[in-house]
Amino acid sequence: QVQLVQSGSELKKTGASVKVSCKASGYSFSGYAMNWVRQAPGQGLECMGWINTNTGEPMYAQGFTGRFVFSLDTSVSTAYLQINSLKTEDTAVYYCATWLEVAHWGQGTLVTVSS
Amino acid sequence: VMTQSPDSLAVSLGERATINCRSSRSVFYSSNNKNYLAWYQQKPGQPPKLLIYWASTRESGVPDRFSGSGSGTDFTLTISSLQAEDVAVYYCQQYYDTPWAFGQGTKVEIK
Repeated sequence: QVQLVQSGSELKKTGASVKVSCKASGYSFSGYAMNWVRQAPGQGLECMGWINTNTGEPMYAQGFTGRFVFSLDTSVSTAYLQINSLKTEDTAVYYCATWLEVAHWGQGTLVTVSS
Repeated sequence: VMTQSPDSLAVSLGERATINCRSSRSVFYSSNNKNYLAWYQQKPGQPPKLLIYWASTRESGVPDRFSGSGSGTDFTLTISSLQAEDVAVYYCQQYYDTPWAFGQGTKVEIK
């Protein structure tokens, strides 16, 4: 069955970087785009953008350009979200999600940024 | 832009709950006659759970008290008989184009 398994929680200082992984299994990884969704504490769902898992081309939503980087390692069917120059407002749960006939979501990764 | 109404809703057990979602543009794709609109349920500390896709198709395992309707730009999620376990936040989502867009969420509580 389709599974997206994300890396564990992270605690970082402002100015540092973090890299969240999303390992896919149960389907052809390169056939379906991988989306990244942010959920700040007590807030709603916000799509950060997506990456074409066939070409590796990332597309960033408004507000997620510059410090956010989507990447892939297709050899291990894994997508990555890197956030550079972390700010306290980056504290959130980050989800990977893909759509194959129906939506499939990772379990989420909590990133906490403190000063 | 996806806009849900109301922002919160308190309903008695066994009563009907109705959540509306409006898209700023049509999510209907005429070539396959489908509306690219989904509904999710989210409980604290959990990822969103897909309830409805293609606007009205219930995901496997979702109780039949959940139903979706609508087309084009206006959609509705109905819980026909609210149960205690339905207390959650509900989101609509368009997947017609990228990036995906979500409604702001509707919190459903027991009256």
